[in-house]
Amino acid sequence: KQEVTQIPAALSVPEGENLVLNCSFTDSAIYNLQWFRQDPGKGLTSLLLIQSSQREQTSGRLNASLDKSSGRSTLYIAASQPGDSATYLCAVLPFSGSARQLTFGSGTQLTVLP
Amino acid sequence: AAGVIQSPRHLIKEKRETATLKCYPIPRHDTVYWYQQGPGQDPQFLISFYEKMQSDKGSIPDRFSAQQFSDYHSELNMSSLELGDSALYFCASSLGRGMNYGYTFGSGTRLTVV
Repeated sequence: KQEVTQIPAALSVPEGENLVLNCSFTDSAIYNLQWFRQDPGKGLTSLLLIQSSQREQTSGRLNASLDKSSGRSTLYIAASQPGDSATYLCAVLPFSGSARQLTFGSGTQLTVLP
Repeated sequence: AAGVIQSPRHLIKEKRETATLKCYPIPRHDTVYWYQQGPGQDPQFLISFYEKMQSDKGSIPDRFSAQQFSDYHSELNMSSLELGDSALYFCASSLGRGMNYGYTFGSGTRLTVV
């Protein structure tokens, strides 16, 4: 069964810092990996989608990498801002097996202090 | 661009009552997913539909049922509500299984059972 783990569970940084969020998954047979942002009590906003054949994707200050063989992905946020404060979730789409839909990690709760 | 529309945004029900949640996927998306997110938890897959047929089933209680209609909108019906059903319910849609473009999530319905 695919398991997705995110470390750390919570992170607090001062504004302007560059930071890295980690995601690991147990089964490397995936179609893709998606990073989402969730504000408290709100919906899931897709940030980046990385296909299994890709190594990284970039959008603005965000850069996500994928190392499928080791079951790891990182989300790099450059020059963090207070508006980046949210919970960041990674999710993988399994290639096969009984779970054929997005499987989520527990998220990293990020607080960027002004 | 059109997004996934969920209604209602908030719903308060008493124990043992029935609730119906609605989801309107992105136009031309053929797959709809329902997820449940309890307080402080990651989203858990409930059920999915592809081309109006049930595709996969996750941890959906027998008290819940869902269907996808001819216009591709979906409804999640929840009966004999329990306090533990209080959660955020998300609908997501994708083209195919989401292999190429990932999932797009709605803003969710917050269900409170009192």
